[in-house]
Amino acid sequence: DQQVKQNSPSLSVQEGRISILNCDYTNSMFDYFLWYKKYPAEGPTFLISISSIKDKNEDGRFTVFLNKSAKHLSLHIVPSQPGDSAVYFCAARWSGGSNYKLTFGKGTLLTVNP
Amino acid sequence: GAGVSQTPSNKVTEKGKYVELRCDPISGHTALYWYRQSLGQGPEFLIYFQGTGAADDSGLPNDRFFAVRPEGSVSTLKIQRTERGDSAVYLCASSLLGTGADTQYFGPGTRLTVL
Repeated sequence: DQQVKQNSPSLSVQEGRISILNCDYTNSMFDYFLWYKKYPAEGPTFLISISSIKDKNEDGRFTVFLNKSAKHLSLHIVPSQPGDSAVYFCAARWSGGSNYKLTFGKGTLLTVNP
Repeated sequence: GAGVSQTPSNKVTEKGKYVELRCDPISGHTALYWYRQSLGQGPEFLIYFQGTGAADDSGLPNDRFFAVRPEGSVSTLKIQRTERGDSAVYLCASSLLGTGADTQYFGPGTRLTVL
C-alpha cells in the first residue's frame, strides 16, 4: 500500500504562474517531509523540506505547506520557470526509526511552458 | 566537491546472470542507502549502511540481493540469478551522519535491464 501518494501524474503551467504540487500520506508516524526534483538520467536532487512541528517552510521561489490534520502537503513554485520542468517526488520519513529511510510518492511530472 | 557516483550507468544482462552495481558516496559520509526505482514508481528503499555495517536490509526483496560496504566508503549491490522483474534504476544515496537532520544526496543511478 502506498504510504505517500501523489495523485497527479502530471501538471502543466505557464511560465510566470504558480505551480502547486500535492502530496498525501497515510502513516501518522511520519514527521519529516521532503521534496526532490528529478531530471531525466539524473538522480533526485533535494529541493526543500519541512518538519512536522512547522506548517510552512520557504526557500526562494519554493514554499512547502504542511497540514498535519489532513495528512497533506503541497509544494508551491512562484513564479514557475521553464527550467523547473522535471519530475517532483514527495518523500517522508520517521525520525523515531533507526535508519531515516525515505518513503517516496510516485512523482508528478511538471511542465512549465514558455 | 564530487557528488555520489555510480557505475556502470547502464547494465544489460541476461536472465540468470550475476551483476554488481557500484556506488561511491560523497567523501566523509557515513550513511549510505540503496533504493530501486521501477518504471512509473518512486524510489523504494532497499538497504541502509551506517559505516561498514548493514543497519537495515529490510527492503531487499529476496536473498538474491546482497550489498556490502567493507571499508565504510564504496558500496556494491550484488544481484544473483537476475530475473526480468529486477529491471529498474538502482539509486544510491549518502548522507553525512545518517541522523534525522541529514539530507540524502543521490547519485545518477544505474539502469539495469534484464533480458
